[in-house]
Amino acid sequence: DGGITQSPKYLFRKEGQNVTLSCEQNLNHDAMYWYRQDPGQGLRLIYYSQIVNDFQKGDIAEGYSVSREKKESFPLTVTSAQKNPTAFYLCASSIDWQGAYNEQFFGPGTRLTVL
Amino acid sequence: GQNIDQPTEMTATEGAIVQINCTYQTSGFNGLFWYQQHAGEAPTFLSYNVLDGLEEKGRFSSFLSRSKGYSYLLLKELQMKDSASYLCAVRDSNYQLIWGAGTKLIIKP
Repeated sequence: DGGITQSPKYLFRKEGQNVTLSCEQNLNHDAMYWYRQDPGQGLRLIYYSQIVNDFQKGDIAEGYSVSREKKESFPLTVTSAQKNPTAFYLCASSIDWQGAYNEQFFGPGTRLTVL
Repeated sequence: GQNIDQPTEMTATEGAIVQINCTYQTSGFNGLFWYQQHAGEAPTFLSYNVLDGLEEKGRFSSFLSRSKGYSYLLLKELQMKDSASYLCAVRDSNYQLIWGAGTKLIIKP
């Protein structure tokens, strides 16, 4: 079955620690995205990657970092510089960046809680 | 700035029809998407509109008026499983999705 996997589903972190969230897709999609979802707000784009070995900052990239060394993988690191990291993190992918009818497919999400 | 507006919450009765509105102001327009999201789960794609008019897909239909910056999602023959949040998103001139905060739909028996 093709799809997107994220792990872990729940993650707890102490203040001052970096943590990496995993995102893997086997849909052969070029584009991948990381969003943050907070209660009462729309999804906000953290980083996106149009193609392997390339990525761009989204609207709220401060305190986060990513890599795209393989087409299938787009891990997100939440660093200690992120002021308010407790949130629901969603990874998504699409066939490409600009194609028409370019729906994004989402992983199940990781809920990060900073203690 | 860019803005997507949706009602925060709506309530409807099982078997009825409900219309969820979305108005937008964005830098350019390259399509509008509707997604469904059950609590604690990932959003799933429902519909896509890029031209004015109505797109029908089973019990769900989506309408777009680009001149008015307006869309709606119409859900017919409501079922309890339709209780979820419905997210409106617009793809802007940079092909980035701008998301509304979502409309929580509560279905009552």
